Formats: sequence, C-alpha cells, structure tokens
Amino acid sequence: DTAVSQTPKYLVTQMGNDKSIKCEQNLGHDTMYWYKQDSKKFLKIMFSYNNKELIINETVPNRFSPKSPDKAHLNLHINSLELGDSAVYFCASTGTGTTYGYTFGSGTRLTVV
Amino acid sequence: AQSVSQHNHHVILSEAASLELGCNYSYGGTVNLFWYVQYPGQHLQLLLKYFSGDPLVKGIKGFEAEFIKSKFSFNLRKPSVQWSDTAEYFCAARYSSASKIIFGSGTRLSIRP
Repeated sequence: DTAVSQTPKYLVTQMGNDKSIKCEQNLGHDTMYWYKQDSKKFLKIMFSYNNKELIINETVPNRFSPKSPDKAHLNLHINSLELGDSAVYFCASTGTGTTYGYTFGSGTRLTVV
Repeated sequence: AQSVSQHNHHVILSEAASLELGCNYSYGGTVNLFWYVQYPGQHLQLLLKYFSGDPLVKGIKGFEAEFIKSKFSFNLRKPSVQWSDTAEYFCAARYSSASKIIFGSGTRLSIRP
C-alpha cells in the first residue's frame, strides 16, 4: 500500500489555467505538508495542516490555496498558473511530536507552458 | 534564523571511494537531524535520523552520520560508494520550537563507474 499518494504524477497545462493536485496518506499521521522543489532541487515549504487546521503558511502567492477536508487529505489548488509555477510539488506527512521525520509522496511534476 | 547549510553542491567520486557530505545547522535549541536521499526522478526517502543518544547514527544502505554538537554538524559518510548511490542528498533539521522540517540546499552526488 502506498503510504503517501499524490495525483497526478505529471501535469502539463497552459498559463492562466486553474489546476489541483491531490494528496492522501494512510499512515494515520496528523500533519501534512506541501513542498515545492524548483529546478535547482531546492525544497521550500509552502503549507502545513495539522488535523485539518492550517499551521504553516509561508510566503506563497495567494493563487495557491490548500484544502484539507480531513486529516488524511491535503489538496493544493492553483489559480491563474504562471510559467514560474513549473516545479515538482511534494506532499509529506508526519506523526505527532518532534521525533518523526517526514514520509514523502512521489511528487507531481507541474509544467506550465 | 533557523537554517541548514550544505556547502558541497556537487560531489563527483569514483566507485569504491569514501564519501563525506557536510551539513551544518544553526543554533536554535533542541534539534532533530535527518538525511534524505532523492534518486533521479524519485521522491525523498529517509536515510537516517538523529534524535538523542549515540551521536553516531547508522542508516540504510551502509550510510552513517555523526552528530557533533560543538560544531553544529551532522556529516554523512559512507566508506565505499557504489554507482547506485548517484542521487541528491538533503540534510534536514526539525527544531523543537517549530512544526516544520528545514532542508539544506542539497548535494548532488555523481559516481563514476
């Protein structure tokens, strides 16, 4: 069973479109994250939810809106896509407490043309 | 500010050579430390982690790391690398005062057959 699953794996879309990426974890974790990895492999946190509550909201354009319908799901909706949004987006989850690392999803490669 | 630094951006080694990748973290109280590996086209996987106790931590695939508190370092080592170790390696830290993991900029490891 896949622990953290993201869909779609690849997404190619035109500038100006609106798209969503979905993430689900079956680990029973309380906290989920979205990270963006740019072309230089740098990983930057975007959002974090704990039990459906937003706890981290880094400096991200408000075209990006996360939604967590329950603690096992964290989706990312992006409005008015721009060329600079092209990246790999990783979902991750972790358990309660500081002794846990993250379990990552396989990533969604978003290409805006 | 809490941060993680990896000074080696790209390391090239021959098979069977020994490896050491540097990682330094900033002071910020109690910290948990991690090394993640990202094979080409794949997601991040946990190699090893340090929470407390023995500062020499052993991970998967023959990797180990040493936590040196006085130097704020957590370097990754492997005595003899293989071609299959070609990947991007990320050092990361989770501070007790924060609910997120901070990643270093990554080190690309290329192994010559």
